[in-house]
Amino acid sequence: QSALTQPASVSGSPGQSITIACTGVGSDSDVGGYNYVSWYQHHPGKAPKLMIFEVNNRPSGVPHRFSGSNSGNTASLTISGLQAEDEADYYCISKRSTTTLAYVFGSGTKVTVL
Amino acid sequence: QVQLVESGGGLVKPGGSLRLSCAASGFTFSDYYMTWVRQAPGKGLEWVSSISSSGETIYFADSVQGRFTISRDNGKKSLYLQMNSLRVEDTAVYYCAREGGSYSFDSWGQGILVSVSS
Repeated sequence: QSALTQPASVSGSPGQSITIACTGVGSDSDVGGYNYVSWYQHHPGKAPKLMIFEVNNRPSGVPHRFSGSNSGNTASLTISGLQAEDEADYYCISKRSTTTLAYVFGSGTKVTVL
Repeated sequence: QVQLVESGGGLVKPGGSLRLSCAASGFTFSDYYMTWVRQAPGKGLEWVSSISSSGETIYFADSVQGRFTISRDNGKKSLYLQMNSLRVEDTAVYYCAREGGSYSFDSWGQGILVSVSS
């Protein structure tokens, strides 16, 4: 079960936009073939928080500056108008297929607000 | 308010066993698939196991297949993870999470630490 590939770190200044890519590396094309990618924000010592589901949907309460997209074999999370509280680890997750409960996680990206 | 509370963690020797529990409240537990996720020290999140709402369908990560068992008691609104033949590399914070119907995890517990060391 290969992990989805994310950059180890991304940084930006307050107010800037950043994008985190999540690329499928398994032979079954975890990310590109299915619209079941979700993104999570994780502050150390706290519970992870769902930020985006089904590629580009935001749960209630998640700021509009968070958005998602999917192109080919790559899903992306964009944070527009970066804020200090956005500094955290971010993970993409994809369901392996419609016929399984198995999931595969991205390797995680540390977002630093300069 | 949805709440998930893990318990049962602790220090165990390699080869030992431990049973984690996750107590759910604030929602109809029997309607939801549930999942265990872990994070080893200095590492990223790792999916461990998922179970369907009825408990009939179960999947495990390759890293724990054959050693861990997932189960649930819908009457007690509880999720369990039986961990046998524990290895040092199983040391992690373990989270239970609810699958919110869109193949995503919309609620998480605070996590429980499992340490495997001699």
